[in-house]
Amino acid sequence: SQQGEEDPQALSIQEGENATMNCSYKTSINNLQWYRQNSGRGLVHLILIRSNEREKHSGRLRVTLDTSKKSSSLLITASRAADTASYFCATDAGNTNAGKSTFGDGTTLTVKP
Amino acid sequence: DTGVSQDPRHKITKRGQNVTFRCDPISEHNRLYWYRQTLGQGPEFLTYFQNEAQLEKSRLLSDRFSAERPKGSFSTLEIQRTEQGDSAMYLCASSLGRTEYQETQYFGPGTRLLVL
Repeated sequence: SQQGEEDPQALSIQEGENATMNCSYKTSINNLQWYRQNSGRGLVHLILIRSNEREKHSGRLRVTLDTSKKSSSLLITASRAADTASYFCATDAGNTNAGKSTFGDGTTLTVKP
Repeated sequence: DTGVSQDPRHKITKRGQNVTFRCDPISEHNRLYWYRQTLGQGPEFLTYFQNEAQLEKSRLLSDRFSAERPKGSFSTLEIQRTEQGDSAMYLCASSLGRTEYQETQYFGPGTRLLVL
């Protein structure tokens, strides 16, 4: 079973709006990562946040981590049509081997021009 | 282009045939991962290597599935006696392999397998 679960499953917004997607997990983590995947392509790493960090920024991306609630959020500001993709979180939560990543089933984001 | 390559990009085979996929990671990366992904799902872990050592493999990677990384560089994933349920995208990724934790992974473009 997947340890990370993204919410919502699908999100549709207009260009220029902000998009927020969430990831919840079940047990403690060392770090959490967000990846993006365009249709039919490989995944691209976006950001890694460590368990002792609460917030991290990269360009138009903002990631927060709340270890007490076992959740993370990814915010994309001023969205563009090119942001249309699926977004996945990956954790080592519950893994016997901390080097192994477990992915959720993703949030599919559609940005309408 | 992340620097991770996979071959072939597409494979169509008949049920019962064996298939082999190859992954070439980024040259200085010690860790290599294999995942399987079906439509609408996230990548499902299959196995990963630290250099040539296979550190963990899922219960899926038994019986008909096997993976190797003989010299700690490229890796192969073989599926024997393919079944229609094996149809999926097979993703390879690599990372530096310098920590004991999950690391930033660089993914290849994937091999899309269709079993008829």
